[in-house]
Amino acid sequence: GAGVSQSPSNKVTEKGKDVELRCDPISGHTALYWYRQSLGQGLEFLIYFQGNSAPDKSGLPSDRFSAERTGGSVSTLTIQRTQQEDSAVYLCASSSRYGYTFGSGTRLTVV
Amino acid sequence: QQPVQSPQAVILREGEDAVINCSSSKALYSVHWYRQKHGEAPVFLMILLKGGEQMRHEKISASFNEKKQQSSLYLTASQLSYSGTYFCVTTDSWGKLQFGAGTQVVVTP
Repeated sequence: GAGVSQSPSNKVTEKGKDVELRCDPISGHTALYWYRQSLGQGLEFLIYFQGNSAPDKSGLPSDRFSAERTGGSVSTLTIQRTQQEDSAVYLCASSSRYGYTFGSGTRLTVV
Repeated sequence: QQPVQSPQAVILREGEDAVINCSSSKALYSVHWYRQKHGEAPVFLMILLKGGEQMRHEKISASFNEKKQQSSLYLTASQLSYSGTYFCVTTDSWGKLQFGAGTQVVVTP
């Protein structure tokens, strides 16, 4: 596609439920990142996929968070047993060697 | 390690200039600059690679001093549309992005 597509754009979930966030990167982009941004804060790195290499998961805040990237394309970020502090905008970005493009994000609200 | 940006915020009148600085304690492969407006995703402005090359985006330019592990973003003759939060993003040779905390820029009429 022309840009990075994320779905859903908004998600309201009850505390304790699991959620899946999807990112469809730009075709051909080998690198894919997940970040989250809490209200008024900077971007917090979560996970980084680069080609077929093992992902860099160093930013995942707890074992409730996991992500996978199937076939080097679409990525899914899964949050299990959601907590209120998980509420944030989750941003996905993909890149070629030069230039990174962000999706519009998924606004997650845990109530 | 997250790059360090300064200042945290700057208020300008339309037409004034400003400089945003970014420094890292780690060796850098490249530096990116992004601008984020309220409620929107960050938008890529420019990338600077090793070699100290200056880049320009409209009247916004940037420099990268790889020896000092620093980059500066220059807002020249600022316009109202320049308002937003500017993020410095550094990469290492692996390509992993590290975002600075951001510099909030407010341009007033």
